[in-house]
Amino acid sequence: DIVMTQSPDSLAVSLGERATINCKSSQSVLYSSNNKNYLAWYQQKPGQPPKLLIYWASTRESGVPDRFSGSGSGTDFSLTISSLQAEDVAVYFCQHYYSTPPAFGQGTKVEIK
Amino acid sequence: EVQLVESGGGLVQPGGSLRLSCVASGFTLTTHGMSWVRQAPGKGLEWVSAISGSGGSTYYADSVKGRFTVSRDNSNNTLYLQMNSLRAEDTAVYYCANGSGHCSSASCYGWFDPWGQGTLVTVSS
Repeated sequence: DIVMTQSPDSLAVSLGERATINCKSSQSVLYSSNNKNYLAWYQQKPGQPPKLLIYWASTRESGVPDRFSGSGSGTDFSLTISSLQAEDVAVYFCQHYYSTPPAFGQGTKVEIK
Repeated sequence: EVQLVESGGGLVQPGGSLRLSCVASGFTLTTHGMSWVRQAPGKGLEWVSAISGSGGSTYYADSVKGRFTVSRDNSNNTLYLQMNSLRAEDTAVYYCANGSGHCSSASCYGWFDPWGQGTLVTVSS
């Protein structure tokens, strides 16, 4: 099984500042046949289901603000919020969809400093 | 509007059973595979089970294999999760989620979108 590990577990960032969350997979999630990384990012606010932000490691879902960006390849990935807004306070999860079982990172809680 | 609505959660004693339902509107369940994902109180997300678009293939996490059964009724656009021999550690909000269906050499889950609002299952005596 591929294990997903996020860092840090939580971070506090000032409004307007950059927040970066890291996600590492125990095996590569890059599929050589199409050169795509099978990695997604989700945002979850209290009492709500997860919301898809990014897929293919760096493709932003329609309607997601462009301050959210994803990067990385193979086993190391990042989600960056370029200028943190109050509405971005949430828990963020990475997830691979490369193999069974599809697995999530443990989550990173983002708060305002 | 694309929407998933779960139901069937509740309080059940250890060893008991529950059947969760997930009704889809605005899209057809048979297009892609569907998954169940759970979240224990204050914890992270755990994939539980999936069923292919045709319903011909099913997949389970080791933690529920042999106790849970996923199925679908395409005529009613509904996904089910039959949960037997429930344990305290099965206590969680259970979400159904649509998979995008993109395949690697190993699987065809894709990313999950949309998700339902979730239904709470509490296993306690």
